[in-house]
Order: sequence, then structure tokens, then C-alpha cells
Amino acid sequence: EVQLVESGGGLVQPGNSLRLSCAASGFTFSSYAMAWVRQAPGKGLEWVSGISGSGANTYYADSVKGRFTISRDNSKNALYLQMNSLRAGDTAVYYCAKDSLNTMIRGRRWFDPWGQGTLVTVSS
Amino acid sequence: DIQMTQSPSSLSASVGDRVTITCRASQTISSYLNWYQQKPGKAPRLLIYAASSLQSGVPSRFSGSGSGTDFTLTISSLQPEDFATYYCQQTYSTSITFGQGTRLEIK
Repeated sequence: EVQLVESGGGLVQPGNSLRLSCAASGFTFSSYAMAWVRQAPGKGLEWVSGISGSGANTYYADSVKGRFTISRDNSKNALYLQMNSLRAGDTAVYYCAKDSLNTMIRGRRWFDPWGQGTLVTVSS
Repeated sequence: DIQMTQSPSSLSASVGDRVTITCRASQTISSYLNWYQQKPGKAPRLLIYAASSLQSGVPSRFSGSGSGTDFTLTISSLQPEDFATYYCQQTYSTSITFGQGTRLEIK
């Protein structure tokens, strides 16, 4: 069974940093791209970032570009999101999700499954 | 970025009703459109991929159609467990975007 378990969320002050992790199991991790998607309280889904199976290619939403860094360690079956210069607007539940493809190409692909999410609260 | 607009934003319906949710893209996205269901406090669940393909394990009362800019998700006969929020997602662009969601409530 494919499982994704996020960790690392919590309360952080504006301007500070936080690193999220996603532990993957039940599939060949390096064969699939991965993504982070967030959901602010009471709001919809927002794609944050994606990374190819090898880790060579990364993509970011404009809202986080230059502040967040996605990475992965295929030897540990782990996905990460380093979040710097955090703002109140970054407050959300952050989900990791398995892509259907190895690369972040445009086209026929989808996210399945998703982890249970980890809550990040940015507040003083 | 490609904007995805769902309608309606909310919908009240009864068990057994046929329900249709619409998703419109700001530009053509071919058939690169997915649908997800989300229940309160839970992660999204994939229902339909590539506009009309039913994900394994999803009941056949769910169906999707459309291409280009206009897409629909149809639930043929609502069941109590279907009351949730539904999102469309485009993967035509590497900058992925979701619709704002449609909340399906019990009438």
C-alpha cells in the first residue's frame, strides 16, 4: 500500500524558517515525481512545488518562488520542503502527493495518493 | 497561469439526485483535467483523471467529460458519502492550478 506521511509542521514566527518532510513507502520512490500542495484554513487547494523523480527538475508557484526549496532523498524515500522567510499567508495544511509520472511534464498526469497533511501556522 | 473556474461554488442536493459540477479553463487544456473529492479534515482523493477516466476503486456513479476549456463532473445518484467538496485540477501547464472548489451539501 502506498503511504505518504508528512511531518515538521508547527507554529513559527513571521520571517523564520521551517522544514517539512514526507516519508514515502509502498512504491519505488525514485520512479515518481512528487508535489507539495497547501490549503489555507477554510480555503481551496494551491499547488506549491514539484520535483522530478531524479530530483534534477524542480518547479514552484510564483507565491513561493525564491523562498521555498523542494528536494528529495531517494535513498531515504523522503521528500522535503524548506520554507524560508515565512509569512502569515503561508499558514496552511501542507500535503505531499505522489505524481503519476516520473517527470514534471505538462500533460496527462495526476496526484494520487496524498498524505494526511501537516499544519503550518505563521504567527507572532 | 491558467485560471480554473468551477460552478456552482456550492450546491444543495438530496440523496438519489443527479448532480453536475462544471469546470472552465481560461485557455484550452486539451483533456488534462482531473477531479478530486475532499471531506472535512481529510486529504483530497482522486476521482477522475484525464477528464474522463475513472480512478480505480471509485464508484461508477462518478463520471467526467469534456475537453478544451469546458469540463463536467457528474454524480448519477448521490449517496450520503458523496457530500464533500470537489476540485478540478489542470495539468496542461507545469504551473498546476486548481478550481476554487464546489461544496456539495445535503438538502
